[in-house]
Amino acid sequence: DAGVIQSPRHEVTEMGQEVTLRCKPISGHNSLFWYRQTMMRGLELLIYFNNNVPIDDSGMPEDRFSAKMPNASFSTLKIQPSEPRDSAVYFCASSLGDRVYEQYFGPGTRLTVT
Amino acid sequence: GENVEQHPSTLSVQEGDSAVIKCTYSDSASNYFPWYKQELGKRPQLIIDIRSNVGEKKDQRIAVTLNKTAKHFSLHITETQPEDSAVYFCAASEDKIIFGKGTRLHILP
Repeated sequence: DAGVIQSPRHEVTEMGQEVTLRCKPISGHNSLFWYRQTMMRGLELLIYFNNNVPIDDSGMPEDRFSAKMPNASFSTLKIQPSEPRDSAVYFCASSLGDRVYEQYFGPGTRLTVT
Repeated sequence: GENVEQHPSTLSVQEGDSAVIKCTYSDSASNYFPWYKQELGKRPQLIIDIRSNVGEKKDQRIAVTLNKTAKHFSLHITETQPEDSAVYFCAASEDKIIFGKGTRLHILP
């Protein structure tokens, strides 16, 4: 298995533009997590899906952020409109179970909003 | 809400010595405690985990201890090697998984 796949790996965009990050979890995993990592705030859980259903989105910063999981093999995290403070590394992770199982992280997307 | 405190934020140890990183958590319902290692520019990777029905777990040079009464858990790395240099994150999970802020471990030659 190729592991968790994320695209793009790097994204540079201007403030106000829409950004879409993509994730393909490991085949057979039924949980998917989106994280944001910054120096100041560390690793923050944004949203967690189980069997394609959002279970916990309490970490989503505000309405500018939205996430979808239309099927078991694909998820998107969208920021619209983007702001400079959204600059961070966004990780997607998947696991076989829920929050008490090992999570496998993707390589991350480094987002820079100018 | 749930909070996970991790100390120290930076740790430097001589190669061959031991390193200890400590975490405390606030939600007594937490029942799963993983530790992740993140090398520079790489993704976090699980190195060891412990569940609330176990007090200690060991895997070669790495061990984790859990004290549920005091709500703290620790990572111990013995005989440290240069490749142990990384950022280490603890986490506590029950309804939510909360990560500590990380410890940057430097192994000095």
